[in-house]
Amino acid sequence: RKEVEQDPGPFNVPEGATVAFNCTYSNSASQSFFWYRQDCRKEPKLLMSVYSSGNEDGRFTAQLNRASQYISLLIRDSKLSDSATYLCVVRNSGYSTLTFGKGTMLLVSP
Amino acid sequence: DAGITQSPRHKVTETGTPVTLRCHQTENHRYMYWYRQDPGHGLRLIHYSYGVKDTDKGEVSDGYSVSRSKTEDFLLTLESATSSQTSVYFCAISEGDPDLNTEAFFGQGTRLTVV
Repeated sequence: RKEVEQDPGPFNVPEGATVAFNCTYSNSASQSFFWYRQDCRKEPKLLMSVYSSGNEDGRFTAQLNRASQYISLLIRDSKLSDSATYLCVVRNSGYSTLTFGKGTMLLVSP
Repeated sequence: DAGITQSPRHKVTETGTPVTLRCHQTENHRYMYWYRQDPGHGLRLIHYSYGVKDTDKGEVSDGYSVSRSKTEDFLLTLESATSSQTSVYFCAISEGDPDLNTEAFFGQGTRLTVV
């Protein structure tokens, strides 16, 4: 089983739609969780960290379910500029390295 | 944006030649990483460093070596480039304390083509 798994998509949604991505991780000792965004041919950039209690940043909401070992990202009121690949990222306890999922592509159309 | 500079940004090289990629940071972060990104594989860790002259292997380290003689510089060397090393290489930095929820910041990437 891959350490971090994501549905590759693409998710095709119209502007204004709500879309959700899930990510599962295999190591129960994983400690820190993040969502990164990567535009085509660009570097990944941090979108948001994911906290145990869940957290929100504007139109973006991240949730963590430790019991089921999955992380989710909800995007409300999608914008054209949200079109990108969203990477789920996990850091295991006691380690300084990050493990990346392969990413989920989102395409928002007018 | 975090101060990370990768050089060169693009390179074409021939099979069998050595290649060195440079990552330079101005953030004084302890941890530095080299990843490669390929279609269908996502980002995979090659090597990382947790201090000057302290390095360790990642998931795909074969054929690569690294050096960190100064906090700000992390070099990735392909000892004898092969076509399978054609990829986009990203450097990343992090304050990296495993007990903190610290993220990594990425450089703009180096597109390497081995012909």
